[in-house]
Amino acid sequence: TQLLEQSPQFLSIQEGENLTVYCNSSSVFSSLQWYRQEPGEGPVLLVTVVTGGEVKKLKRLTFQFGDARKDSSLHITAAQPGDTGLYLCAGARGAGKSTFGDGTTLTVKP
Amino acid sequence: GAGVSQSPSNKVTEKGKDVELRCDPISGHTALYWYRQSLGQGLEFLIYFQGNSAPDKSGLPSDRFSAERTGGSVSTLTIQRTQQEDSAVYLCASSLRYTSYEQYFGPGTRLTVT
Repeated sequence: TQLLEQSPQFLSIQEGENLTVYCNSSSVFSSLQWYRQEPGEGPVLLVTVVTGGEVKKLKRLTFQFGDARKDSSLHITAAQPGDTGLYLCAGARGAGKSTFGDGTTLTVKP
Repeated sequence: GAGVSQSPSNKVTEKGKDVELRCDPISGHTALYWYRQSLGQGLEFLIYFQGNSAPDKSGLPSDRFSAERTGGSVSTLTIQRTQQEDSAVYLCASSLRYTSYEQYFGPGTRLTVT
C-alpha cells in the first residue's frame, strides 16, 4: 500500500521556468520531510514541516504543508540546472519509521 | 563533522552468495535505518535500530535478510543466498534520536547480483 503519492513522476523544464511538485496521502502525518537526491548519492534533507498550513521558504524553494497534514507541495521559482535531481517526500506518523513517496525526477535544461 | 558512511560503495556478487553491507552512522546518533532503492524510485523501508535494538523488522523482504548493530554504532545488513531481485541501492540513514524526524543518509551501496 502506497501511503504517499508524488506527482508528477517526471518533469522536464527549461531554465527559468517555475514548477510545483505534489505529495498526497489519505493519512495524517505528524511531520513531513522533503529530500533531494542526486545520482550516486543519498537523499539530502531540504526541509521539515510539522504544522498544518505551514509554509517554509528556502531561497527559491517554497514548501507547504496542507491544513489537514495529509499533503504537501514544493514550488520552485526560476528553476536552474542545479535543481536537477530526484525529489522525495517522506511522512512520519510518530517517531521512528518514515514513509517515502516514489519521488519526482526533475530535469532542468539550460 | 563526518557524515554517514557506507561500504562497499559497489558490490557485484553471484546469485546464491552471501553479502554484508556496512554502515557507520554519524557519531552520537542513536537511531539507524536501512532502506532499499530501485533505480529512480522511492525508498523501501527495511529495518531500524534504536541503540542496538531493532523494534521494527517488518520491512525485511524475507528471512534471507538480517541486520545487527553493535556498540550503538556500526550496523551490518546481511543478505544470504542472494537473488537477482535483491539488486538495488541499499541506503543507510541515522538520526539523533528515535524521536527525531530528520534522517541523514549515506551514499549507499549499489548491489548487483549476477
